[in-house]
Amino acid sequence: AQRVTQPEKLLSVFKGAPVELKCNYSYSGSPELFWYVQYSRQRLQLLLRHISRESIKGFTADLNKGETSFHLKKPFAQEEDSAMYYCALISGGSNYKLTFGKGTLLTVNP
Amino acid sequence: GAGVSQSPSNKVTEKGKDVELRCDPISGHTALYWYRQRLGQGLEFLIYFQGNSAPDKSGLPSDRFSAERTGESVSTLTIQRTQQEDSAVYLCASSSSPYEQYFGPGTRLTVT
Repeated sequence: AQRVTQPEKLLSVFKGAPVELKCNYSYSGSPELFWYVQYSRQRLQLLLRHISRESIKGFTADLNKGETSFHLKKPFAQEEDSAMYYCALISGGSNYKLTFGKGTLLTVNP
Repeated sequence: GAGVSQSPSNKVTEKGKDVELRCDPISGHTALYWYRQRLGQGLEFLIYFQGNSAPDKSGLPSDRFSAERTGESVSTLTIQRTQQEDSAVYLCASSSSPYEQYFGPGTRLTVT
């Protein structure tokens, strides 16, 4: 069965500092990986997805199949990045259901 | 256009009562998902609809949980004889493409 692990419940950095939110997964096939974000009092929304190889709001994530990781990075954190971040994967099959990690609460201090 | 909506936003019920949670997906989205998030946990998949059929119900935790969907529109998640462990935020998501799900604001269910 697939599993997503986010080892940090809380992460606190100062504005302008680099930030890395860790995500490891276990799945025997080739998963599709995602980062979702939930800002305070807003709904959960897609931040970025592996297949698009895009950078959103300065965030990037690289899939490392050898280490089964999909860490989220940003070189210079901003206060508005403070939010709950969830790593998720879609395994094989036709229903495209998401398997989520437990999330990391990022706080960017001024 | 309007996003996914859910009602009620909050529901407090007594143990043993039945509850119905409603999800209105984005118009035209054929896929609909229910997830739940218990305190301190990640989101857990409950059920997937494609149109009005549910090819994957594997996440429903017990036979007290059921869901239906009318066409490619509203879905209702019903929990019978609620228990305290059912307390959670129930999230609905809809999708028109495989790799992007749009989430509703959730229903916070508290069973006392």
